[in-house]
Formats: sequence, structure tokens, C-alpha cells
Amino acid sequence: DSGVTQTPKHLITATGQRVTLRCSPRSGDLSVYWYQQSLDQGLQFLIQYYNGEERAKGNILERFSAQQFPDLHSELNLSSLELGDSALYFCASSPGGLWDEQYFGPGTRLTVT
Amino acid sequence: GQQLNQSPQSMFIQEGEDVSMNCTSSSIFNTWLWYKQDPGEGPVLLIALYKAGELTSNGRLTAQFGITRKDSFLNISASIPSDVGIYFCAVYNAGNMLTFGGGTRLMVKP
Repeated sequence: DSGVTQTPKHLITATGQRVTLRCSPRSGDLSVYWYQQSLDQGLQFLIQYYNGEERAKGNILERFSAQQFPDLHSELNLSSLELGDSALYFCASSPGGLWDEQYFGPGTRLTVT
Repeated sequence: GQQLNQSPQSMFIQEGEDVSMNCTSSSIFNTWLWYKQDPGEGPVLLIALYKAGELTSNGRLTAQFGITRKDSFLNISASIPSDVGIYFCAVYNAGNMLTFGGGTRLMVKP
């Protein structure tokens, strides 16, 4: 158990819908990272937050957005969902903003039908 | 853009055998990381490499950071069934994001 929690574990929704994935970092970790893992694209970095502020942006679509709240939990919002958005979405956290100190959560499996 | 080529894509080996996998890049990176992902779980960091030529061990795992800073390999000695999973290499330079290779899926036959 990494100490990072993600909810829900599974999510099934229809095209065009909007969903919110939630992540609680390890106690004391200030930085949160979101990743998408799909069969054709592999594991891709989406976005990083540090203490409530956006720190780095990767291959995140405009239909996707995220935020980190004052209690340091984070949410990833996915809207106008398409079949190709079906994937595992991982959240990771680290104490500071260092990439080599990340601890990954168990992931949320999103299925878009 | 940055691209990491990881090979082999999959391996099916007998318990007790040694395993070797590698990762190459077209660009130079200052940090190479190796992760393992168990089925249904998120990746877990196994080894981090920070200096060209560095050889680092973690139990039965050994990883090396290539002298050109464009490659790395991971060896697993005397494999056991719990070594099953997907192994990823990842790289980054200061100020850049973490980039993952495509993974090597390891299957171990008891």
C-alpha cells in the first residue's frame, strides 16, 4: 500500500459524459501527479500540482482539467468523454516536487461505452 | 519528441532463470528510473540511477545507467513467480516531465 488513495476504483460511463476522479496523496506530500495508462499510448504524464498550484503540464487534452485543493487532495475532471478516453488513470504523490520520489495510487479504471 | 524504446516487449521465462531488459533513448537524460507494475496496481519505483556508468542493486535486481546517458538495463537474477509484472523504464531531466518506456511484460513459469 503506497498510501495514495484513488476513488472510484472503476467507472463506467457513456460517450459525451463528464466524470471526476479523486486522489488523496500520502500524508504530508505536497505534490500530486496524474497519469493516463492506455494500451496504445502506454503510461503518459498528464499534469502536476504542487501545494495547490499547477507545476507541470504534459499530454493533457483540453477536455481534461485538474485541481488541487487546500487539503491537498486532487481531482481530475474529464469531460465530453470519447471511447478513446477509456484507460487507467493513476495519481501519484511526492513530498516535494521531485519526480523520483513519486508514490503511485492503485488507479481508477475508466470505461467509456 | 522524446522516445524511449524498451525491449523486449514481453518475456516468458522459467523460474530460476536470470532476466535482462533494456531501454534506449535518442536523447541524453540525467536520471533513469526503473519501475515495476503488478497486475491491478500502480507502478512502484525499484531503482533510481543518477550518474552515467552507475551500477545499482536492490536485492536480486541490478540496473546500470549507460555511459552515453542514452540507455539503461535492468537485470533480475534467479527469477521467482512474484517477479511477474510489467517493468518500465522512465527518464527525466531537470525541468522536464517524467517519460515512460513502453514496458516489458515478464511472465514466469514455476
